[in-house]
Amino acid sequence: DTGVSQDPRHKITKRGQNVTFRCDPISEHNRLYWYRQTLGQGPEFLTYFQNEAQLEKSRLLSDRFSAERPKGSFSTLEIQRTEQGDSAMYLCASSFRTGSETQYFGPGTRLLVL
Amino acid sequence: LAKTTQPISMDSYEGQEVNITCSHNNIATNDYITWYQQFPSQGPRFIIQGYKTKVTNEVASLFIPADRKSSTLSLPRVSLSDTAVYYCLVEGEGSSNTGKLIFGQGTTLQVKP
Repeated sequence: DTGVSQDPRHKITKRGQNVTFRCDPISEHNRLYWYRQTLGQGPEFLTYFQNEAQLEKSRLLSDRFSAERPKGSFSTLEIQRTEQGDSAMYLCASSFRTGSETQYFGPGTRLLVL
Repeated sequence: LAKTTQPISMDSYEGQEVNITCSHNNIATNDYITWYQQFPSQGPRFIIQGYKTKVTNEVASLFIPADRKSSTLSLPRVSLSDTAVYYCLVEGEGSSNTGKLIFGQGTTLQVKP
């Protein structure tokens, strides 16, 4: 399978705990995106990497959120001191910049904060 | 804020053609129109993209009038497996554009037997 993969697929945690999600993009893709999706809504942009550089962060990404993409390959999204409002599906997408690019999404990580 | 407006929901029956129209009155010259499909508990999946006139692939057709202020996704002969949420997006390339996608609520298509 050469698509975008995410791990874990599901995560249940208690409020106040830290969680980390991983995304493995399609290998030749230099752009990587994180989105968050709550029930009944479309995905919302969180942050974006071009290779290893994090070039944009949404205001949705509070100080408790941090993302990395070491060496421009896989990426991690960490949420510290989780809150119930963090419960959502966290989606990763990757693309290769050409003209109008297509983003390929992973299956997502569903987070439930109790 | 999403740049597009589309119906919240639509119903259809198996074998029918479904047309979902999207409004994007403020589309920019360098914007493309892209449609994604999302099944429950999965990430969105690219369906089709166009700039003007008509684009067709093995899954759908996309009709874009000359003023590009709207577009219509056409799904021929839908089946139950086409039940999903369909998102219309406009995205462009430019010096300040990161390629991030701005999703609206999408159109929930329910196909009935």
